[in-house]
Amino acid sequence: ETGVTQTPRHLVMGMTNKKSLKCEQHLGHNAMYWYKQSAKKPLELMFVYSLEERVENNSVPSRFSPECPNSSHLFLHLHTLQPEDSALYLCASSQLLQGSLGYTFGSGTRLTVV
Amino acid sequence: KQEVTQIPAALSVPEGENLVLNCSFTDSAIYNLQWFRQDPGKGLTSLLLIQSSQREQTSGRLNASLDKSSGRSTLYIAASQPGDSATYLCAANSGYSTLTFGKGTMLLVSP
Repeated sequence: ETGVTQTPRHLVMGMTNKKSLKCEQHLGHNAMYWYKQSAKKPLELMFVYSLEERVENNSVPSRFSPECPNSSHLFLHLHTLQPEDSALYLCASSQLLQGSLGYTFGSGTRLTVV
Repeated sequence: KQEVTQIPAALSVPEGENLVLNCSFTDSAIYNLQWFRQDPGKGLTSLLLIQSSQREQTSGRLNASLDKSSGRSTLYIAASQPGDSATYLCAANSGYSTLTFGKGTMLLVSP
């Protein structure tokens, strides 16, 4: 399989649940990203990992916890979310941190918090 | 702080028309600019990537131009088809994870 793969595609969770989003890239890229896309708003960068080290946390609440065990995998652990966290969560990767060769995005996970 | 604006927010055209989507950015110090397509509820598909040193890129019926000095990029779609209906996003890359998106142009091409 090629490209950036995200699972699950859809997730419904209660505010007290704990769940995880998974992202896997098969492109040999060194940098991976989590973005949040809410209705009527531009994509918002959440986290950046370069060579498995977190290089940016864009003022994201602690109820979102990223993990990057290796350069091909990225997780977003979720706990005690709020209904306003419902959104499309997109994973992306790039060859280099500066994105000089562009970015590749996954299909996203549609998260609904009830 | 980079800001990206896309005009129009929505566009509806009959099949076969040529159309132009506009993107403007406030900080001209960019590495590149990337155009994406997004179908409803789906992820982003990269259409074209223009490096800061380039003026345009072409792929099939799509042509994207970049005028860095004026902070503008356009996406030209020739002979539009219903399958082109989607939201088109431009993103300015200022380097080192700083990718700034516009809100997108929602395109509807009717048969």
